[in-house]
Amino acid sequence: GAVVSQHPSWVICKSGTSVKIECRSLDFQATTMFWYRQFPKQSLMLMATSNEGSKATYEQGVEKDKFLINHASLTLSTLTVTSAHPEDSSFYICSTKLDRGNYGYTFGSGTRLTVV
Amino acid sequence: DAKTTQPPSMDCAEGRAANLPCNHSTISGNEYVYWYRQIHSQGPQYIIHGLKNNETNEMASLIITEDRKSSTLILPHATLRDTAVYYCIVRVNSGSARQLTFGSGTQLTVLP
Repeated sequence: GAVVSQHPSWVICKSGTSVKIECRSLDFQATTMFWYRQFPKQSLMLMATSNEGSKATYEQGVEKDKFLINHASLTLSTLTVTSAHPEDSSFYICSTKLDRGNYGYTFGSGTRLTVV
Repeated sequence: DAKTTQPPSMDCAEGRAANLPCNHSTISGNEYVYWYRQIHSQGPQYIIHGLKNNETNEMASLIITEDRKSSTLILPHATLRDTAVYYCIVRVNSGSARQLTFGSGTQLTVLP
């Protein structure tokens, strides 16, 4: 089946540093990528939507200068958490819609970010 | 997307059927019912979806009431690996990509 490969699966970084998370679509083209964030014991919350070749659309309350999204190709989208702080520690998940089928939303395996 | 209501948690004995309810009383005629699940520290996984007819696949069955105001996801023989948060999502099946909106879901715990 269609797979979105997300990595790293976990990362620990120091406050003030930046972390890049990658999501690659392995056997299909991902025109649109959704980025979610999930805090412990909470549900997934949409952070931003990116379309290949254009600027991402951010949800209210999500700082676009802090969470940089690049979707330069149909198979790769990246989320960079800049100047990370402990409150950015969370589980980050990417998702995209498959071209085929009417249920086709597939998700990456998630990235556990811990900022110390 | 129509609002959904799910119980926060349920337990089920291993090998028994797990029946997870979802209320969606404001569902519109063109909205589908989707079920996803999220095993701890993993990304969500698609399970099944339906419009008005009952559906079955290799993972589960979906029973939608005649008035479509509620549905039940059935895992016929639950295993320990089915322990997860199950999300019921109601939305129009659009050809264009649109984000999934997740509620709080039901934490299903399968007990040995």
